[in-house]
Amino acid sequence: GQNIDQPTEMTATEGAIVQINCTYQTSGFNGLFWYQQHAGEAPTFLSYNVLDGLEEKGRFSSFLSRSKGYSYLLLKELQMKDSASYLCAVIDSNYQLIWGAGTKLIIKP
Amino acid sequence: TAGITQAPTSQILAAGRSMTLRCTQDMRHNAMYWYRQDLGLGLRLIHYSNTAGTTGKGEVPDGYSVSRANTDDFPLTLASAVPSQTSVYFCASSDLTSAGVNTQYFGPGTRLTVL
Repeated sequence: GQNIDQPTEMTATEGAIVQINCTYQTSGFNGLFWYQQHAGEAPTFLSYNVLDGLEEKGRFSSFLSRSKGYSYLLLKELQMKDSASYLCAVIDSNYQLIWGAGTKLIIKP
Repeated sequence: TAGITQAPTSQILAAGRSMTLRCTQDMRHNAMYWYRQDLGLGLRLIHYSNTAGTTGKGEVPDGYSVSRANTDDFPLTLASAVPSQTSVYFCASSDLTSAGVNTQYFGPGTRLTVL
């Protein structure tokens, strides 16, 4: 079967750095997405990785290792508005998106 | 630009009744999707459409039907609602490229409660 694993919940302090991990076992791989979802709102696109390595976009970076079936989202200089759920999703061999359950990130002052 | 709109925002429905959730996009995306999101579970695909006139079944299609008469609209119908269909429903769209990159953009969601 296809499976994406993320921690259920993480807590971090305002101004700090946090890394949210995602591991996947899917039938094929055609890219990996990270989305942000604030409570009661729709998911919004953060990043896309298809090649190994680190993609940096402002305070957010996303890393991919295809050989390890592993990705992480790195958030720097945390702000209270970063409190949200972060969803990892993988494009499988049929070009369908397989979603993880999401990681709820709680930011404390 | 509105992007993707969904209606209604929320609804309470009696079991056994039918209902259609509406979704409209103005981005001229060829692909559209319906997901349900339940606490502790990832987004689960109900139905999808890669282009107007075609539809396909996702992971959890039972009890739901869709149609795609044109590019912009993708309604989801529950023929006879059951309490297990209580969920938040998201519509999404994407512009499928020849390489298959599939960045999906989501509507605001419909919160449905079936009693």
